[in-house]
Amino acid sequence: AQTVTQSQPEMSVQEAETVTLSCTYDTSESNYYLFWYKQPPSRQMILVIRQEAYKQQNATENRFSVNFQKAAKSFSLKISDSQLGDTAMYFCAFMKAGNQFYFGTGTSLTVIP
Amino acid sequence: NAGVTQTPKFRVLKTGQSMTLLCAQDMNHEYMYWYRQDPGMGLRLIHYSVGEGTTAKGEVPDGYNVSRLKKQNFLLGLESAAPSQTSVYFCASSSGGTYSYEQYFGPGTRLTVT
Repeated sequence: AQTVTQSQPEMSVQEAETVTLSCTYDTSESNYYLFWYKQPPSRQMILVIRQEAYKQQNATENRFSVNFQKAAKSFSLKISDSQLGDTAMYFCAFMKAGNQFYFGTGTSLTVIP
Repeated sequence: NAGVTQTPKFRVLKTGQSMTLLCAQDMNHEYMYWYRQDPGMGLRLIHYSVGEGTTAKGEVPDGYNVSRLKKQNFLLGLESAAPSQTSVYFCASSSGGTYSYEQYFGPGTRLTVT
């Protein structure tokens, strides 16, 4: 079975600072995809960033980047220059062949002005 | 382009009542999913569909049934609601294509069973 673990239930960061959210996963699959989703208070789920497991290069989307360590089964999200609009719940997700998704329990991030 | 829509947005049921949640997508996606979100537990997959006329069980399927009679619609049914089914329900869809695995989510339905 696949499991996704987010060990930080809550985090906070000062505006304009950098924060890293942790995620580890467990799988026996060799081909898979990893995602970070953001859920603001509006409840809408928004894709932040995606990483294909076969790619060694870490994905980057503007202020968001990941540190993907395949051997360690680790997939952390770094948010640079944090903004008030980044305040949200962040979910790490794993997708295996067949398009089944598994989500972590989430990290609640608060950006402090 | 509406994306993924869910009907209704809120509902209160009494124990034992039945109801159907409707999910509709206008992106011609093959894959559709139903999740429930509970505090401290993230999103858990209830059922999913990889195409019209197909359904499969996810992580927590008990107490729910689904149907995908039309490609654009995915229905989630509760035959006899229980308080343990109080949750926020999300529908999602994806194209399932080789280079596009992003899931697009609906706005959610908050269900309370008393």
